[in-house]
Amino acid sequence: EAGVTQFPSHSVIEKGQTVTLRCDPISGHDNLYWYRRVMGKEIKFLLHFVKESKQDESGMPNNRFLAERTGGTYSTLKVQPAELEDSGVYFCASSQDLGEVQETQYFGPGTRLLVL
Amino acid sequence: GESVGLHLPTLSVQEGDNSIINCAYSNSASDYFIWYKQESGKGPQFIIDIRSNMDKRQGQRVTVLLNKTVKHLSLQIAATQPGDSAVYFCAESPGTDKLIFGTGTRLQVFP
Repeated sequence: EAGVTQFPSHSVIEKGQTVTLRCDPISGHDNLYWYRRVMGKEIKFLLHFVKESKQDESGMPNNRFLAERTGGTYSTLKVQPAELEDSGVYFCASSQDLGEVQETQYFGPGTRLLVL
Repeated sequence: GESVGLHLPTLSVQEGDNSIINCAYSNSASDYFIWYKQESGKGPQFIIDIRSNMDKRQGQRVTVLLNKTVKHLSLQIAATQPGDSAVYFCAESPGTDKLIFGTGTRLQVFP
């Protein structure tokens, strides 16, 4: 079974440009999460989808970040316009919905974003 | 605020020895804990988890211990192998699906 996949693996853009990251969760996983790790700090939660609905977006840093999950399958995270401090690694994770509040989250390989 | 911290940023062990990686958490409401392993260039890989109604859980060569009294979590790796070299993260969940990660401990295994 394929794991969580993310595209692109790396992205280098200039400040002010737009970047869109994509995440394909494990098939059948209704829960999808975005996390990021910036400047060597700890991994931090951004938001959580249950199917196509945003369950928790308390970690989104500002309105330059827009996440979507149309159809409840893959998700995109768009940063517009990108700033230098957005550089880091963006991880996506997914989990099943088996009735427990917390199910095991499986992570993708991440997208390494560098804003120049 | 909420935080999960690690006592040791780097742990060096000899191949074949047992490793113990420690983690302190601060949120008393946390009821779910996970250990992840991250190798260079890869995403966090699930190792083992434990819920707050348990004190100990064992997997293959790994054991997680939870001490809720002192808010302490540890990961024990038996017979550490070179392939265990990685950064290990503990994460906690305070009754939600959101994971709060620690800063990570680098495990180095020497032959």
